[in-house]
Amino acid sequence: NAGVTQTPKFQVLKTGQSMTLQCAQDMNHNSMYWYRQDPGMGLRLIYYSASEGTTDKGEVPNGYNVSRLNKREFSLRLESAAPSQTSVYFCASREAYEQYFGPGTRLTVT
Amino acid sequence: KQEVTQIPAALSVPEGENLVLNCSFTDSAIYNLQWFRQDPGKGLTSLLLIQSSQREQTSGRLNASLDKSSGRSTLYIAASQPGDSATYLCAVRAGGFKTIFGAGTRLFVKA
Repeated sequence: NAGVTQTPKFQVLKTGQSMTLQCAQDMNHNSMYWYRQDPGMGLRLIYYSASEGTTDKGEVPNGYNVSRLNKREFSLRLESAAPSQTSVYFCASREAYEQYFGPGTRLTVT
Repeated sequence: KQEVTQIPAALSVPEGENLVLNCSFTDSAIYNLQWFRQDPGKGLTSLLLIQSSQREQTSGRLNASLDKSSGRSTLYIAASQPGDSATYLCAVRAGGFKTIFGAGTRLFVKA
């Protein structure tokens, strides 16, 4: 039981490049989340998926798109990366009450 | 709009000391509150979750309390150890699928 896994762990992009961050969970949870964590600001919700086939915007969705591929997988795409998207990205899934987090992806945009 | 604040931002204590971390939130209509631990370069690990109907939860040397009416939660760590050094975050679920996080308290326990 791996919990929540994320790939890649680290990534460096140039401004304007695109990439997809992958997330998978093996706990059969319905809801999944993407957050970004910046120094001194805590975690902010980018997008979430309440169940397979649905996605909704969170607090900071601009510049991102998501896909809930199936119940296990929830990906985050940056279409045209900007330096302001330099951050640590966390994926999470939730059972009824608790959230479980992946190890994070550290993204730098130059 | 729900806002979550954690004070202090950083704390350094000698080993063996009992300590309290604070979390405050602006809207008392919460579903639950969760405390997490985050080690440098790692993800978040859940420590304790308190439902809105509960006043406290305990796990080992950790005790978390919740006072909805005053918009406050505390995380009490007894007999602190160097291995407790980490960032501690509180998170409030206000209903629906959204959770609001505080910025965290960075704890350093000196041997």
